[in-house]
Amino acid sequence: IAGITQAPTSQILAAGRRMTLRCTQDMRHNAMYWYRQDLGLGLRLIHYSNTAGTTGKGEVPDGYSVSRANTDDFPLTLASAVPSQTSVYFCASSDRSGSGTDTQYFGPGTRLTVL
Amino acid sequence: GQNIDQPTEMTATEGAIVQINCTYQTSGFNGLFWYQQHAGEAPTFLSYNVLDGLEEKGRFSSFLSRSKGYSYLLLKELQMKDSASYLCAVKDSNYQLIWGAGTKLIIKP
Repeated sequence: IAGITQAPTSQILAAGRRMTLRCTQDMRHNAMYWYRQDLGLGLRLIHYSNTAGTTGKGEVPDGYSVSRANTDDFPLTLASAVPSQTSVYFCASSDRSGSGTDTQYFGPGTRLTVL
Repeated sequence: GQNIDQPTEMTATEGAIVQINCTYQTSGFNGLFWYQQHAGEAPTFLSYNVLDGLEEKGRFSSFLSRSKGYSYLLLKELQMKDSASYLCAVKDSNYQLIWGAGTKLIIKP
């Protein structure tokens, strides 16, 4: 069981380019999340999805979009990358069935540099 | 606004005990989580508290006081591998996690 995988592991991107970060989970969790982590700041929620077919905006959604076509995949797209989007991006998932603690489990992260 | 405060950095000695504090002010409370994050890696789940009191899990314990908006993570018998950042997060009224900036714990021999 892999848990959550993310791709790519790292990427250097020219400003203005479009980029999709991939996230796949095999735990059949209904909820998925995208965070960015910057030095000295806590994890900040970009977008989330409580169930397949629905998405919502987090704390810092501008410049990012997501889709949730099925339970397993939750890609994050930067339509036109800017240097302020240089960060480490983590995908996470949780079981929001109500029977547990809704603990979030994280993928290994994607380190993105926008020049 | 919503706020999670924890010390930026702490230093402790191998074999000792350390307590990492977390205070929070959030719109609603639906549980508090502690995560461990080694440098360059993903956060991993350590503990969850939703009721007041102490939860013990091996060398790690976590305490919660909802009336004081306060939690701590207690690490006993410190090992070098415990050198990491420890993240406190609170689930708010929208059931989203609000994260502290993390406490970097340095263990010295």
